[in-house]
Amino acid sequence: QKEVEQNSGPLSVPEGAIASLNCTYSDRGSQSFFWYRQYSGKSPELIMFIYSNGDKEDGRFTAQLNKASQYVSLLIRDSQPSDSATYLCDLNLGGNQFYFGTGTSLTVIP
Amino acid sequence: GAGVSQTPSNKVTEKGKYVELRCDPISGHTALYWYRQSLGQGPEFLIYFQGTGAADDSGLPNDRFFAVRPEGSVSTLKIQRTERGDSAVYLCASSLEQGAYEQFFGPGTRLTVL
Repeated sequence: QKEVEQNSGPLSVPEGAIASLNCTYSDRGSQSFFWYRQYSGKSPELIMFIYSNGDKEDGRFTAQLNKASQYVSLLIRDSQPSDSATYLCDLNLGGNQFYFGTGTSLTVIP
Repeated sequence: GAGVSQTPSNKVTEKGKYVELRCDPISGHTALYWYRQSLGQGPEFLIYFQGTGAADDSGLPNDRFFAVRPEGSVSTLKIQRTERGDSAVYLCASSLEQGAYEQFFGPGTRLTVL
């Protein structure tokens, strides 16, 4: 059973719209959650992390965590073509291992 | 400042050969991770170092894979008797300390086993 599940997409949204990326996880012991952005041929870069239930906002990005339902999401407001990338959900169970999902490919259409 | 660097950027080898992949983490970062990423997949955890010791090597797929970090800085991932299934991008990441939450990734080494 995979630790982290993501819809691989591709997800397409028009420029200026809200992009919603979702991730579910299987281990209720998961403690911290991360969203990485990965451009094609590049390495992942951290966008946001969240530990507590609720919303966390940073600029155009909002991470949402619901531990009871075991999902974490990333909202991108006012989507820009430069946001086109693969978004990786990553979780930590409190140890030293980090579990990544397969990623969701996002395309923002100008 | 300098980020995580990895060498070589690309490595092509023949089945059965031995390869070494190098990672130079951000100066001062004590935690170092190796991941493997296949096409269309997320990074897969291989091994974690805290300082010089391999604190968790449970992600290494088999005993052909080995990694060292002798001085607590540069790390080398070693793969013996390479197989075609080892072809992937090998990513290294470092973070400031154990439990620190942001990992900084290097550009990766693309390994191709013919």
